[in-house]
Parts: sequence; structure tokens; C-alpha cells
Amino acid sequence: EIVLTQSPGTLSLSPGERVTLSCRASQSVSSSFLAWYQQKPGQAPRLLIYGASSRATGIPDRFSGSGSGTDFTLTISRLEPEDFAVYYCQQYGSSPPVYIFGQGTKLEIK
Amino acid sequence: EVQLVQSGAEVKKPGESLKISCKGSGYRFGSYWIGWVRQMPGKGLEWMGIIYPGDSDTTYSPSFQGQVTISVDKSINTAYLQWSSLKASDTAMYYCARDGGSGSCSFDYWGQGTLVTVSS
Repeated sequence: EIVLTQSPGTLSLSPGERVTLSCRASQSVSSSFLAWYQQKPGQAPRLLIYGASSRATGIPDRFSGSGSGTDFTLTISRLEPEDFAVYYCQQYGSSPPVYIFGQGTKLEIK
Repeated sequence: EVQLVQSGAEVKKPGESLKISCKGSGYRFGSYWIGWVRQMPGKGLEWMGIIYPGDSDTTYSPSFQGQVTISVDKSINTAYLQWSSLKASDTAMYYCARDGGSGSCSFDYWGQGTLVTVSS
């Protein structure tokens, strides 16, 4: 079974900074099936990126995703106060269908 | 507007049964897979399983196979997650979420979550 490892576990940054979050898969995965979510306290997760690099509806363009094979990244070009949250990557595998989440990266205000 | 509305919080005793629901609206319910995701207190997201309302085709995560049952009533646009005998370790927030389809294999809409507390 594929394992997704996110790093770092926690990141302390200031508004206005640029940040890159990492998601590494234990074996090569299709970039078509790699997604990123944001979750704020007390809220359901929100889809940010699907297909490794496509922004979901309504997601600001300061969020971007990239990567292929085993290494994927989510970049926030300029942190806004509302971006401080937990971020999860997720991969889909077929035969049989399975959705796997990374353990999450917490982005906190410095 | 696409919405997934889940049933309210539950407090149960160990050994009791439970069925929670997720009602979809604003889209063709039968055409999109609905998944269930567990989040234990202070922890990350765990995929439990997924169902296709069109034909009730269901797949479970190996971690949850035999522990829960996922079902659907397409006539009322509602998916369900049920337990026959709850344990304290089932205490968690449970989310339903729609797979966005078109090969995205990601969850584009989420319910608000149902908090299940199991305590004697």
C-alpha cells in the first residue's frame, strides 16, 4: 500500500511569506490522482488542488501545486492570515479503489 | 449549489448501533461517488470507504472492512454509514464527501461532519 509522507509536520511562518509544503509517496503515483486539501479548526476539509496542479473552483491563484512521480509540492506564494491551517495531500489508487491521505502539515503563525 | 448535509451529533454507549446520514442536493446524486472519512480527535483524515449511488457499488478501506457498513437510498439522495456495535475507539468526526468525478479522484464537496461520541 502506498504511504504519503508530508513534511514538515509543523511550519511557523509570517503573513506575506512564501511557503512550499511537501508530499512524498512511497512509490510512484499518477499526478492525475494527487490532491491537496486545507482544513481549518472546526471546519470540514476544502479541496484546493486536484490532478497535482489544477486549482479547484474558487481557490485563489496564490495556491499552486506541482510534482510528479513520488514528489509533490503545494506552494502558497504569499501567505494571508486565513491560510494558517492544516494541509493534507491525498492520492487515489485503483484496483481496488483506495484514497490515501498524508498525515498533514500544520501551518501556524509565527 | 452542491450541498452535502449530514445528520446531527450522536452520543452512544459501547455496544449500541448507529446509522448516520449524508443528504446530497444541487447535483445529480446518482452520478457521483460518495466517500466517508474519519477524523479522530486531534488526528488526520482517514478514508473509510466509498459508494456509487447509481448502483450501490461499494469499496471499503481494508482498515474499515467489516467494521462499518456504507449504504445509500438513491430515492432520497442520501448515503449512510452505520455501525452494529460501537466501541469507544469509534469516537470521532465523520465526514461524507463527493468525489468530483471526471477522473479527478478527489473530494470536491464535503458535508459539515457528524461528531460521534461513544462513552459508557
